[in-house]
Amino acid sequence: NAGVTQTPKFQVLKTGQSMTLQCAQDMNHEYMSWYRQDPGMGLRLIHYSVGAGITDQGEVPNGYNVSRSTTEDFPLRLLSAAPSQTSVYFCASSFGRGSPLHFGNGTRLTVT
Amino acid sequence: AQTVTQSQPEMSVQEAETVTLSCTYDTSESDYYLFWYKQPPSRQMILVIRQEAYKQQNATENRFSVNFQKAAKSFSLKISDSQLGDAAMYFCAYSSEYGNKLVFGAGTILRVKS
Repeated sequence: NAGVTQTPKFQVLKTGQSMTLQCAQDMNHEYMSWYRQDPGMGLRLIHYSVGAGITDQGEVPNGYNVSRSTTEDFPLRLLSAAPSQTSVYFCASSFGRGSPLHFGNGTRLTVT
Repeated sequence: AQTVTQSQPEMSVQEAETVTLSCTYDTSESDYYLFWYKQPPSRQMILVIRQEAYKQQNATENRFSVNFQKAAKSFSLKISDSQLGDAAMYFCAYSSEYGNKLVFGAGTILRVKS
């Protein structure tokens, strides 16, 4: 049972480049989400999805796109990377309301 | 919007002793969920404990327990018999009854001295 698988673990981008952070879960969770972690700010919600075909914005959505074509996958796209997007990114999934989040191992992204 | 405040950026505890991490939150909802997550240097996010707001009884998980004061909007974590493996960043988080979007505090770094 792999849980939540997130790739890559580390990534360095130049300003203006694009990339996709991959996230997959094998627990049949309906709810999936992306957070970014910055020093002194905890984790902040970027985008989330309550099921295949349904996505919505979180607290800090600007500069990021998501899609949810299957229950298992929830990729996060950076269309034009900026230094302000340097952060650690976490994907998470859960059964739903009130259930604990299961987190991936995170991606450390540096934008130069 | 809900907010979560962890007022202690860093805490230290001697091995085998007890430490309490503070967390307060702001909400107008009557039903919600509260969590403590642990993040060791490996960066992995690990669930420590979960509390349902409508339950009066404080949640416990082995050496970890909470003091949930709903009226005061306080949710502190007590770690008993601290171990070196408890050293980590601890996050308090709030989840509304209407969804599963977590709001996190800024975190408290816990150092355990041998």
